[in-house]
Amino acid sequence: GNSVTQMEGPVTLSEEAFLTINCTYTATGYPSLFWYVQYPGEGLQLLLKATKADDKGSNKGFEATYRKETTSFHLEKGSVQVSDSAVYFCALREGGSYIPTFGRGTSLIVHP
Amino acid sequence: DSGVTQTPKHLITATGQRVTLRCSPRSGDLSVYWYQQSLDQGLQFLIQYYNGEERAKGNILERFSAQQFPDLHSELNLSSLELGDSALYFCASSGTGTNYGYTFGSGTRLTVV
Repeated sequence: GNSVTQMEGPVTLSEEAFLTINCTYTATGYPSLFWYVQYPGEGLQLLLKATKADDKGSNKGFEATYRKETTSFHLEKGSVQVSDSAVYFCALREGGSYIPTFGRGTSLIVHP
Repeated sequence: DSGVTQTPKHLITATGQRVTLRCSPRSGDLSVYWYQQSLDQGLQFLIQYYNGEERAKGNILERFSAQQFPDLHSELNLSSLELGDSALYFCASSGTGTNYGYTFGSGTRLTVV
């Protein structure tokens, strides 16, 4: 079956540091890939997505590239802010199933 | 505002009781999904409805049930509540096709005492 593996958190960074959150996936077909963000006390929000190999999703300074050869969709940001502190979820959704598969989430803590 | 409305935001109830959580999907979305989020289990898929019909089931207990009404709003019923049912319950909606991401509501925090 499908699965998504994210790096364990929490990831703790200082403001303006470079961020990478690793995500790898297993899927039988050609999934669409997503990153969601959950701020404290809120629901998940779609951050970015990519629908085919080599697509780059980007939003709010975050970006991730769909790498079919390494089955990865790592999230990156060049300079994090305190306001980026949240839990980040990697997810995939495949045509054969309408149920997305989520990773366990990675907590990001950014210190001033 | 994501467009997905969940009520109530908070619910405190005693063990053995029954509660109903409500979700209104984003306008135009036919699919509704229910998730349970707890610290130890992460985000667990419970059940999906599409245009009034059950489409898929995940890790939903027999004490839990759901339905989607003709106006597309959905309700999740939790009965014989146990302490371990305390969690955040999220509803999400989506359009058709794999390219559509999900839109989540802000959740209902259930506390069973």
